[in-house]
Amino acid sequence: DAGVIQSPRHEVTEMGQEVTLRCKPISGHNSLFWYRQTMMRGLELLIYFNNNVPIDDSGMPEDRFSAKMPNASFSTLKIQPSEPRDSAVYFCASSYPQGTYGYTFGSGTRLTVV
Amino acid sequence: TQLLEQSPQFLSIQEGENLTVYCNSSSVFSSLQWYRQEPGEGPVLLVTVVTGGEVKKLKRLTFQFGDARKDSSLHITAAQPGDTGLYLCAGVKGAQKLVFGQGTRLTINP
Repeated sequence: DAGVIQSPRHEVTEMGQEVTLRCKPISGHNSLFWYRQTMMRGLELLIYFNNNVPIDDSGMPEDRFSAKMPNASFSTLKIQPSEPRDSAVYFCASSYPQGTYGYTFGSGTRLTVV
Repeated sequence: TQLLEQSPQFLSIQEGENLTVYCNSSSVFSSLQWYRQEPGEGPVLLVTVVTGGEVKKLKRLTFQFGDARKDSSLHITAAQPGDTGLYLCAGVKGAQKLVFGQGTRLTINP
């Protein structure tokens, strides 16, 4: 298995532009998570899905952030409009429904908003 | 305010020394996981502890879950440069939501 695949690996964009991050989870994993990592705040859970349905989006910072999971093999995290404070590494992770089996993380997307 | 507090946040020691990293919380978790993250990569699961008082060993790494399932520790024996990385503890809340600590950045000097 290729693991969790995220794209792009790096994204540099200007303030105000729309940014779309992509994730392909591991086949067979029913749950998908989007995290954001910064030096100041560490890893923060933004949103997670079970069987393509959003379960908890309480970590989504603002209405500028939205996430979709149209099918079991694809998810997107969109920021519109982007701001410099959105600069961070965004991780996607997938797992079986029971969290005790652990998450498998992708390699992340490093987003820089200038 | 962090739900999980890790200490120390930074640790730099010489090769061959022993070390312990702590993960503490006032909350009870159904299980607790430890991850290791290297630069430019996502965290990788090392171990999951489920039962209060549980001890698990992974070569030179020993993981312990507190009796009350609120805290955990990671002990590394005879540290090697390859152990360098960011160590993260994460507690499972409810069925599957993972809450991460801030991490301990470990550097092992040759």
